Amino acid sequence: NAGVTQTPKFRILKIGQSMTLQCTQDMNHNYMYWYRQDPGMGLKLIYYSVGAGITDKGEVPNGYNVSRSTTEDFPLRLELAAPSQTSVYFCASSYRGQGDSPLHFGNGTRLTVT
Amino acid sequence: AQSVSQHNHHVILSEAASLELGCNYSYGGTVNLFWYVQYPGQHLQLLLKYFSGDPLVKGIKGFEAEFIKSKFSFNLRKPSVQWSDTAEYFCAVNINTNAGKSTFGDGTTLTVKP
Repeated sequence: NAGVTQTPKFRILKIGQSMTLQCTQDMNHNYMYWYRQDPGMGLKLIYYSVGAGITDKGEVPNGYNVSRSTTEDFPLRLELAAPSQTSVYFCASSYRGQGDSPLHFGNGTRLTVT
Repeated sequence: AQSVSQHNHHVILSEAASLELGCNYSYGGTVNLFWYVQYPGQHLQLLLKYFSGDPLVKGIKGFEAEFIKSKFSFNLRKPSVQWSDTAEYFCAVNINTNAGKSTFGDGTTLTVKP
């Protein structure tokens, strides 16, 4: 099993550009999440989804958008990139939304906005 | 909303030393608690979790953690660390009614000197 796969691994954007971070999982998990990790800080939730067609904002959603057309895919869209979006982005999935189900993470995307 | 505090940002130990990493959370209800580890260049992975039962839980690679409800704590321990334990460690908490959304601490970087 591949688990959670994120692409690309690295990206450099100029201010104002846009891009989509891809995330796909092959575990048939309904719950998917996007987190960002800034240096010296924990993971902050950007958006999450409880199933295909259903998404909701997390703690830090401004400047991002998501969609969930299939169970497998949960892309994160950055419109008008800003330096404050320089971060490492992690996609994660969970078997179920009950709290005892751990998160399965992708390898992350390191994004730099200059 | 729940929050998580990890008191040690960077810990440096010699091999065979004992390890204890502190984690405190703030939430008055029932919680599920996790420790995740991120080895250099790898994705976050589950180290151990607690959701009910015996408050002393054992995880992979000889790690254990103790849930002390009265202290709102979930400290991670290992009797004898190895060089390969060098990694970043994250404590996380979620609640059953929150769609599996986890709140993370800021992380503790552990460096083990050979």
